This record gives sequence, C-alpha cells and structure tokens, in this order.
Amino acid sequence: SQTIHQWPATLVQPVGSPLSLECTVEGTSNPNLYWYRQAAGRGLQLLFYSVGIGQISSEVPQNLSASRPQDRQFILSSKKLLLSDSGFYLCAWSVWSSWWQETQYFGPGTRLLVL
Amino acid sequence: QKEVEQNSGPLSVPEGAIASLNCTYSDRGSQSFFWYRQYSGKSPELIMSIYSNGDKEDGRFTAQLNKASQYVSLLIRDSQPSDSATYLCAVSASGTSYGKLTFGQGTILTVHP
Repeated sequence: SQTIHQWPATLVQPVGSPLSLECTVEGTSNPNLYWYRQAAGRGLQLLFYSVGIGQISSEVPQNLSASRPQDRQFILSSKKLLLSDSGFYLCAWSVWSSWWQETQYFGPGTRLLVL
Repeated sequence: QKEVEQNSGPLSVPEGAIASLNCTYSDRGSQSFFWYRQYSGKSPELIMSIYSNGDKEDGRFTAQLNKASQYVSLLIRDSQPSDSATYLCAVSASGTSYGKLTFGQGTILTVHP
C-alpha cells in the first residue's frame, strides 16, 4: 500500500532563515506530487505541483520554491522566510483511476511557525 | 477565478441525526468532486469522491452531485461524535492536464451527545 511521509512534523523558524521541508512517497511510482499551504482560518492553497522528476510548476508567486530530485521525493524550500509563510504545509500524491479521474491523498503535514 | 463555496457553519447536530453539508462551484467544466474530512490539527482525509450526477453511498456517507445546478452535497447519517471535524469540498479544475483541485473554506461540524 502507498504511504506518504513528511518531516519535520513541526518547525519554528526566525524570519529571514532558510527552509527545507521534505515529502516522500512509498509504494507507488511516478506519482503526481503537490504542495499545499493551509494558513490559520483559511482554505487550502496549492503552491506547487510536479508530474515527474525535475518538473515543477508554480501556482502562485512567492518566496518559496520546490524541487523533485527523485521520483518519490518532493522538497519545499525558501531562502528567507517571511512571517506570512507560517502555516500548515501539506504534501499530496495522486492516483489515477481512469484517464481523467485523479484522486489526491495528503501526508500528515508540517506545521511551520515563523517568528 | 474558479470558486467553491460551502455552507458557512458551524453546523451542530445531535448524535444520531443526519448532517447535511453543501457545496456549490463555479467551474462548469469540473468533472471530479471530493469530500475530505479534517480533524483539528490533522491533515485532510478523503472520505468520498463522486463523478456522475446522482447519489453515491458509502456506509453512513452519501454524496450527491447535480452538475446542472453546480451543486454537491454530503449527507452523514446516524451522526456520531467522532464525525465532529471540518469537512472540505474539493472540485477539479477544467482545462488542466493534472489534478488541480479548488477547495472550499470548509464547514465545521459538531455532533453533540
């Protein structure tokens, strides 16, 4: 069965510090991978998605970046964190049940607090 | 801007009652619709997906889809205190080659004993 891991689970970082969040998926190959952010009291916002190694698309302009160095590894980074980067970061992977039916499953998330 | 709107809530129902959660969407080309449950401090968990007009039942959960009215709902029968959570409606975006989802803001459901 498929499993998705995220770490760290929680993180407290000062403004201006770098960030690296990691997501790995087990039990599947060539998944679509997604990074979402859920700010306090707000909905889920798609940040990045990837359909393959080295292929990253950004949904919103921001000071974050993403990379996919391996098939089942997805990394979210920042060179300098802002207060507004605080939130719950969720990685998701997807499975296709038909050519047009794609279902996303979420990892446990990383809660980031920027002070 | 494609939007997904959920009934604002919070919604409070007694144990054993039917909880009704509603969602409307603006993208007429959407093909896939999902309900996720999110417990406080946890990540969203998929509970239902629906792709065709009509009803889809899974245990105590029934999803209803009406594409003409751009409306999707979730009914929870025999509600239990363990159903207390935020329910997120998600709708696929048309015209994309990947599974882009637009999420509603969520409806907080409380089931009281």
